Amino acid sequence: SQTIHQWPATLVQPVGSPLSLECTVEGTSNPNLYWYRQAAGRGLQLLFYSVGIGQISSEVPQNLSASRPQDRQFILSSKKLLLSDSGFYLCAWSATGGFVGTGAEAFFGQGTRLTVV
Amino acid sequence: DAKTTQPNSMESNEEEPVHLPCNHSTISGTDYIHWYRQLPSQGPEYVIHGLTSNVNNRMASLAIAEDRKSSTLILHRATLRDAAVYYCILRDKREYGGSQGNLIFGKGTKLSVKP
Repeated sequence: SQTIHQWPATLVQPVGSPLSLECTVEGTSNPNLYWYRQAAGRGLQLLFYSVGIGQISSEVPQNLSASRPQDRQFILSSKKLLLSDSGFYLCAWSATGGFVGTGAEAFFGQGTRLTVV
Repeated sequence: DAKTTQPNSMESNEEEPVHLPCNHSTISGTDYIHWYRQLPSQGPEYVIHGLTSNVNNRMASLAIAEDRKSSTLILHRATLRDAAVYYCILRDKREYGGSQGNLIFGKGTKLSVKP
């Protein structure tokens, strides 16, 4: 079966510090991968998505970047965090080519709650 | 991308049916209708999806209007555990193949369930 791992669960970082959040998927190949952010009391905002190794699409300009060094690994980074980067970060994957059902479902990790102080 | 419109919030009583509406008047012929829900402090989870015909699964039913410009997620017997934000999303089935991977969420409907 497929599983998605996202860590850490919570993180408190000072303004100006770097960030690295990691997400890995097991049990599938060539997944679509996504990073979302949810600010307090707000909806889910798609930050990045990737359809393959080294292929990253950014949905909004921001202080963050993403990388996909391996097929099932997706990393969210920042060189210098801002207060506005605080939020609940979620990684997700969905299948391509219909390997899982119709390929329609997206599966989310448990999220990382980031507080920038 | 075609957009969806949902009420901001709804209330239900426990063990009663809940009908969550979604309007998508600009839906295209290749758009699937998806529903996800997000429990507090968790990531969203898939609920159901459909194209034209009504769909049923263990979690819910999806009723799709004949013109496909609206749909309704039906929870047959609401439980306290069903209190969550429910998102209605359109996704072009041509995106499943890989070149366009985005999955865009709106604001959703916050469902409260009263005991």
